Amino acid sequence: AQKITQTQPGMFVQEKEAVTLDCTYDTSDPSYGLFWYKQPSSGEMIFLIYQGSYDQQNATEGRYSLNFQKARKSANLVISASQLGDSAMYFCAMREGPQGGSEKLVFGKGTKLTVNP
Amino acid sequence: DSGVTQTPKHLITATGQRVTLRCSPRSGDLSVYWYQQSLDQGLQFLIHYYNGEERAKGNILERFSAQQFPDLHSELNLSSLELGDSALYFCASSSTRGVTEAFFGQGTRLTVV
Repeated sequence: AQKITQTQPGMFVQEKEAVTLDCTYDTSDPSYGLFWYKQPSSGEMIFLIYQGSYDQQNATEGRYSLNFQKARKSANLVISASQLGDSAMYFCAMREGPQGGSEKLVFGKGTKLTVNP
Repeated sequence: DSGVTQTPKHLITATGQRVTLRCSPRSGDLSVYWYQQSLDQGLQFLIHYYNGEERAKGNILERFSAQQFPDLHSELNLSSLELGDSALYFCASSSTRGVTEAFFGQGTRLTVV
């Protein structure tokens, strides 16, 4: 079974608008972490944002925010005021178990975001 | 710049050969992770080292091996290479024993011909 599901293979957004990239996850572990990474065409993986399963508030980092809905097991990434440089692949990932336990990240298949001028 | 350095950036080699990919983690990071990104499998966790010791193993083939040295740099050895091993290999590092943020290197693009 897929642990991380990103249902949008591709998304388009106009420059300066906000966009939401969907991510749902599957785990029975009460302690886990959720991540978003950006991969531009150059190939590097850029860490964007992290949300712990016990965090009370949604994580925010500049123009990025994570809409964490625990009961629905979703961790959507919201990018506000899109810029042309935001065009890239975006990956959602999960770490199962608490810090110090399972160390690996499980990645979704990604969403390709295109920002139009 | 994530602070994680991977060399080489590109590698082209023939089937049956052996290659070594190198990773220098961010200063002070004790954990090093290796991932493989291919078109058909996506991003797959291979192996994790913490302060020189293997901590977790993922979908790593027996033809592949890794180690982390006392200076904390890590090497991923790929042997008896096959066409299907062509992929982008990433190293990531983190400072804590559990991942709350893992910073990736720029990757090594391996092409097996």
